[in-house]
Amino acid sequence: QKEVEQNSGPLSVPEGAIASLNCTYSDRGSQSFFWYRQYSGKSPELIMSIYSNGDKEDGRFTAQLNKASQYVSLLIRDSQPSDSATYLCAVNGGGGSNYKLTFGKGTLLTVNP
Amino acid sequence: DGGITQSPKYLFRKEGQNVTLSCEQNLNHDAMYWYRQDPGQGLRLIYYSQIVNDFQKGDIAEGYSVSREKKESFPLTVTSAQKNPTAFYLCASSPYLGQSSNSPLHFGNGTRLTVT
Repeated sequence: QKEVEQNSGPLSVPEGAIASLNCTYSDRGSQSFFWYRQYSGKSPELIMSIYSNGDKEDGRFTAQLNKASQYVSLLIRDSQPSDSATYLCAVNGGGGSNYKLTFGKGTLLTVNP
Repeated sequence: DGGITQSPKYLFRKEGQNVTLSCEQNLNHDAMYWYRQDPGQGLRLIYYSQIVNDFQKGDIAEGYSVSREKKESFPLTVTSAQKNPTAFYLCASSPYLGQSSNSPLHFGNGTRLTVT
């Protein structure tokens, strides 16, 4: 059973701080990693994708991937109250199932004004 | 604008009734998916389809059925055999580029089903 683990939180940070969200996965064959943001009662929206080891930056968001440690993280710089949401980590299966995503349960982030 | 349309947004049914959730996409994506989300839980895969007239069971297919007669449409039927049907149902799509696909999923706005 492929697993994706996230700290459920809630993670609370003050406005302007850096929020750090972490995710570990069990399938060493995984090749593709995604972060989705989900506001309460809404559907998930893609905010970052990462496919190779290292950092990938997009605006205030940075995704970090370490395949050897089976670890992927999301950093949100200059956190805003509008960033308050649940963040879902999703991982593609390796081998023949790499078109299916396995999702973690999500980390609830609260940014306090 | 291209996107995925799920309807209705809210659906109420009595226990024992089958109900069909609609999902239509105009993104020209090959692959379509149905996920279920329960409070405080991640998304769990119900069914997926890579091409027309073909679909595969996901992790929690029992009590559900699907069809894929057209590329744009992937309706989900929640049958009376599904023991806990109340949930938030999400339809998604992605380009299917073969076994090496690494495309993310794009989600519809979801249908919240309540069965009493």
